[in-house]
Amino acid sequence: AQTVTQSQPEMSVQEAETVTLSCTYDTSESDYYLFWYKQPPSRQMILVIRQEAYKQQNATENRFSVNFQKAAKSFSLKISDSQLGDAAMYFCAYRSASYFRGIFGTGTRLQVTL
Amino acid sequence: DTGVSQNPRHKITKRGQNVTFRCDPISEHNRLYWYRQTLGQGPEFLTYFQNEAQLEKSRLLSDRFSAERPKGSFSTLEIQRTEQGDSAMYLCASSPLGFGYTFGSGTRLTVV
Repeated sequence: AQTVTQSQPEMSVQEAETVTLSCTYDTSESDYYLFWYKQPPSRQMILVIRQEAYKQQNATENRFSVNFQKAAKSFSLKISDSQLGDAAMYFCAYRSASYFRGIFGTGTRLQVTL
Repeated sequence: DTGVSQNPRHKITKRGQNVTFRCDPISEHNRLYWYRQTLGQGPEFLTYFQNEAQLEKSRLLSDRFSAERPKGSFSTLEIQRTEQGDSAMYLCASSPLGFGYTFGSGTRLTVV
């Protein structure tokens, strides 16, 4: 069975600095998708960034980028120039190309300080 | 289109009662998902629809849970004979093929 592990329950970063959130996953499949979602307090979850496993190039979306290491089954999220609005729970998620269910990690709570 | 809409936002019910939640996905998304999220945890998959067909169901979805998506539009999730362990946030999401989810705001269920 596939699993997603986020080993950092909480992280803190100063405004304008860079932070990296870690995620590892386990799967025997070769074709899958990986995602990072952001869930602000009491607000709905939104998609931050998406990576297809067959693509070697790391995905980027403005200040957000990933470091996808397929062999190591690692998928970290880097947030550059952190802003107060980045404070939220961040969930790493895996979805097989063959099945439809998404598997989420337990989340990392990111605090952004002045 | 205003995104994925879920109703009600909050539901308090007595143990043993039945509850039904509704999800209206983004109209052009043919894929619809239900997840359950408890405090401090990530969402757990419950079920998936492609158009009106329910193609995957989690073992978490006991026989007290049923979901429908008539005509491939909105979806309902019903919980019969609610138990305290059913208290959670129930999230609906929709997506086009191969892309990430657009989530609704969720329905928070409290069973007392």
